[in-house]
Amino acid sequence: KAGVTQTPRYLIKTRGQQVTLSCSPISGHRSVSWYQQTPGQGLQFLFEYFSETQRNKGNFPGRFSGRQFSNSRSEMNVSTLELGDSALYLCASSLGQTSPYEQYFGPGTRLTVT
Amino acid sequence: DAKTTQPPSMDCAEGRAANLPCNHSTISGNEYVYWYRQIHSQGPQYIIHGLKNNETNEMASLIITEDRKSSTLILPHATLRDTAVYYCIVSGADNYGQNFVFGPGTRLSVLP
Repeated sequence: KAGVTQTPRYLIKTRGQQVTLSCSPISGHRSVSWYQQTPGQGLQFLFEYFSETQRNKGNFPGRFSGRQFSNSRSEMNVSTLELGDSALYLCASSLGQTSPYEQYFGPGTRLTVT
Repeated sequence: DAKTTQPPSMDCAEGRAANLPCNHSTISGNEYVYWYRQIHSQGPQYIIHGLKNNETNEMASLIITEDRKSSTLILPHATLRDTAVYYCIVSGADNYGQNFVFGPGTRLSVLP
């Protein structure tokens, strides 16, 4: 089975712009979670989608949003970018229906905001 | 906040077993223990998980104490490629949205 894929792998944006990141889960997985990783804060949960519905959300401002499509692919969007949004953005997929929730992570998108 | 406590760093000689401890004293009955590792700037890699019983797969073994308040991940024959940050995570069925809370983890250095 192919793993979780994320596009693009690297991105450079300027402050004030908006960005959309994409995640394709493992085939058959219906849950996609997004995480932000920075040197200062470590890995932090953003939100999780299951069957096109946001099921859980972390403590991030409304500038961070996401969605999931009927084929389970997911996108996250960050509007009005700030310098502090520079991070590695990771998505993870899982079957998502019952515990245990083994999550499989993609390689991440490295976002740099200048 | 993370529900787990891990030592910030450990060293292990190549070829020897690496034993990584994790404390999770507030774990509840339906919570699983998951282990992941992250090699520099890559996505975290799933290693193993367990509920009550000890578990083993091709990568590692997971030993969970009888009271479930702590666990140990064992890499039986560590290689240089096992150098990574190892995360121990506790998460359960009532965490419906499966938001894993990652702590700082243990930085394992495998030395030649």
